[in-house]
Amino acid sequence: EAGVTQSPTHLIKTRGQQVTLRCSPISGHTSVYWYQQALGLGLQFLLWYDEGEERNRGNFPPRFSGRQFPNYSSELNVNALELEDSALYLCASSRGRENQETQYFGPGTRLLVL
Amino acid sequence: AQSVTQPDIHITVSEGASLELRCNYSYGATPYLFWYVQSPGQGLQLLLKYFSGDTLVQGIKGFEAEFKRSQSSFNLRKPSVHWSDAAEYFCAVGARGNQFYFGTGTSLTVIP
Repeated sequence: EAGVTQSPTHLIKTRGQQVTLRCSPISGHTSVYWYQQALGLGLQFLLWYDEGEERNRGNFPPRFSGRQFPNYSSELNVNALELEDSALYLCASSRGRENQETQYFGPGTRLLVL
Repeated sequence: AQSVTQPDIHITVSEGASLELRCNYSYGATPYLFWYVQSPGQGLQLLLKYFSGDTLVQGIKGFEAEFKRSQSSFNLRKPSVHWSDAAEYFCAVGARGNQFYFGTGTSLTVIP
């Protein structure tokens, strides 16, 4: 069974640009989560999508947004990039909406903002 | 408020020695607890999880963890560490809204 996949693996952008990160969940999983792992800040919850709807959002500004497609894949969009957006962005998926559902993580996309 | 504390930023152990990584959580309801491991440049791999029942849970790679409600702890243990266990270890609590709260991680170095 294929795991969570993310693309691209690495990305370099400059301040003010926009970026789109992509995630494909494990087959059969309907929920997708996005986390930011910035140096010194640990893993921070960004967004949760399930069945095409945004279900929960972490403490991030509106320039962080995303969507989930009918095939349950997801995109994370970050507008007006700032230097502090440099981080590893991790996507996770789970089978459903229950709190106890285990989240399975992808390898991440490393974003560098110059 | 929900939070997870991993008091040890970095731990060094000798290969073959036992290991215990500490995790304390703060959560008002029944906690769903997880341990993940992250190798350099990689995503997170699930080691084990606790939802309910037996407070001692077994995971992959010979790891186990014990849930102690009275101490709000979920410490990870391994009786004999291998060089391949060197990695970053994260404890997490699953909260309402499917939001996972992670600790800041413990970096494990294994010396031969």
